[in-house]
Amino acid sequence: AQKITQTQPGMFVQEKEAVTLDCTYDTSDPSYGLFWYKQPSSGEMIFLIYQGSYDQQNATEGRYSLNFQKARKSANLVISASQLGDSAMYFCAMREGGAGGFKTIFGAGTRLFVKA
Amino acid sequence: GAGVSQSPSNKVTEKGKDVELRCDPISGHTALYWYRQSLGQGLEFLIYFQGNSAPDKSGLPSDRFSAERTGGSVSTLTIQRTQQEDSAVYLCASSSTGRDQPQHFGDGTRLSIL
Repeated sequence: AQKITQTQPGMFVQEKEAVTLDCTYDTSDPSYGLFWYKQPSSGEMIFLIYQGSYDQQNATEGRYSLNFQKARKSANLVISASQLGDSAMYFCAMREGGAGGFKTIFGAGTRLFVKA
Repeated sequence: GAGVSQSPSNKVTEKGKDVELRCDPISGHTALYWYRQSLGQGLEFLIYFQGNSAPDKSGLPSDRFSAERTGGSVSTLTIQRTQQEDSAVYLCASSSTGRDQPQHFGDGTRLSIL
């Protein structure tokens, strides 16, 4: 069965510093995808970054990068040069697929606070 | 272009009443998902539709919950005999076919059961 774990309920980071948000997952499917989403206090869900299980390189999107360690089943999000606007909930999600399609499940989330 | 549209944005109802929540996905998106999010919590998977395949209903918490998707487009989530623990934000998302396709979320329906 799919499982996503985010062990950090809350994180603090100083503005302009980097922060790592942890995500571990469990799946028996060799083919899967990992996503990170941001949810500001306004409630909207914003897609940040994607990593495929067969991707050889870690995904990067601007200030976001994904530290993908397949053997350890971890997909940590790294945010560089934190900004006040990065304060939000961050969710890790996993999608595995088969004949039935691509069900996607989410972790419990990490609330990030960026301090000025 | 138009994003995922959900209605109503807010719904207040009395315990025991039935409610219907609507989701209009992005045109052309074959996958549609429903999630439930309690205050400050993560997203709980409810149900997933993919094209003409049978939906994955494995996340529905009880038989009071049901959903349908008509014509591969609009979806309705129905909660019968609502309970106070059903109070939450119900989020709908759609995506194109493919494991690497991100989900596009609606603004959600905030359901409050009195």
